[in-house]
Amino acid sequence: KNQVEQSPQSLIILEGKNCTLQCNYTVSPFSNLRWYKQDTGRGPVSLTIMTFSENTKSNGRYTATLDADTKQSSLHITASQLSDSASYICVVSSRNNAGNMLTFGGGTRLMVKP
Amino acid sequence: DSGVTQTPKHLITATGQRVTLRCSPRSGDLSVYWYQQSLDQGLQFLIQYYNGEERAKGNILERFSAQQFPDLHSELNLSSLELGDSALYFCASSVGPAGGDNEQFFGPGTRLTVL
Repeated sequence: KNQVEQSPQSLIILEGKNCTLQCNYTVSPFSNLRWYKQDTGRGPVSLTIMTFSENTKSNGRYTATLDADTKQSSLHITASQLSDSASYICVVSSRNNAGNMLTFGGGTRLMVKP
Repeated sequence: DSGVTQTPKHLITATGQRVTLRCSPRSGDLSVYWYQQSLDQGLQFLIQYYNGEERAKGNILERFSAQQFPDLHSELNLSSLELGDSALYFCASSVGPAGGDNEQFFGPGTRLTVL
């Protein structure tokens, strides 16, 4: 069964500090992996997409890594800001004869405190 | 602003009732997806339409149905509502039919409260 697990479930950090969120998946066959940011009560917004051949991808203060061998991804946030407070969702895509399927992780809820 | 619009923003109704949620995709997008997000829960994929036809089905209850119209807007119909149906319902759209290959742009959501 395809699964995506994220850790930690929630995290509190001080403004200016760095943090790393983890995503482990058992999705097969792997197509790509996206990290989304979801502000409370709003729709998710894509931060990065990673394909099988990519190890690292950055988007401003967000850096995603992918290890396709161990089926792990991480999202590193540098110099956190209050506006980084949100849920971060890892979504893994697979494609087979039946079509394209997305498996969502449960998300990590990040709170950045002043 | 993602370009995806959803109406209404909030909806309060009673158990046993039926409601319709509406979504207009971004200009040029042919796929529409519906998701349910209960309080403090992850996103649950319900159903996808591509150019008017059902493309993929997720954990959608039999009491729920959806359709995509020729102008590409979509409606999600929820009937015989139960307290547990209270949730945020998101619509997303993408250019192509492959939900993973094409970035999905999410609307602001409809918050449904069933009393």
